[in-house]
Amino acid sequence: QQQVKQSPQSLIVQKGGIPIINCAYENTAFDYFPWYQQFPGKGPALLIAIRPDVSEKKEGRFTISFNKSAKQFSLHIMDSQPGDSATYFCAASIGGAQKLVFGQGTRLTINP
Amino acid sequence: NAGVTQTPKFQVLKTGQSMTLQCAQDMNHEYMSWYRQDPGMGLRLIHYSVGAGITDQGEVPNGYNVSRSTTEDFPLRLLSAAPSQTSVYFCASRPPGQGVNGYTFGSGTRLTVV
Repeated sequence: QQQVKQSPQSLIVQKGGIPIINCAYENTAFDYFPWYQQFPGKGPALLIAIRPDVSEKKEGRFTISFNKSAKQFSLHIMDSQPGDSATYFCAASIGGAQKLVFGQGTRLTINP
Repeated sequence: NAGVTQTPKFQVLKTGQSMTLQCAQDMNHEYMSWYRQDPGMGLRLIHYSVGAGITDQGEVPNGYNVSRSTTEDFPLRLLSAAPSQTSVYFCASRPPGQGVNGYTFGSGTRLTVV
């Protein structure tokens, strides 16, 4: 049973466009929602994270939007660049717990 | 400071063989974890450790053993490899108190079981 559901599986966007990746969760005990970026042959790296007491968090060109009532959160990439082409994972955890639950991943391609 | 180092990077095993995936970190992190990554499944937690001598099971522990005799090392053992264990394995570590924000992942071990 996938506790965090991510969509779409793959996404192709032109340079400068705004790709949006969505995640939904069921467990209301989750209280920390990070996004990871993974390039081929590398391990995931933390991109940005949010707690449910805020509805939006922005770091550079990356923005997380959070809808607590709908139990959904999304990643937006402004002014996307070919270098943003990677696989993106959303995740969730409870407090400072050791266990991260990941979404299925989205392979993003930014065409020049 | 090398971060999290995983060896080997690639491995092919025959069904029934055993092997150990190595993970070492030089950041004095107390928390270490093993994940496996499969297409369409994201990353799933296999085992984790909150310090030397302490380990616990994650979401998919069957077929894997771990031990943590030192802070630096957290090896993952496959006692009798099965084709279902074909996957990319990632080790991760973080210091206590930083929550999931502090996770550092290794570059992975790609394992194929034939």
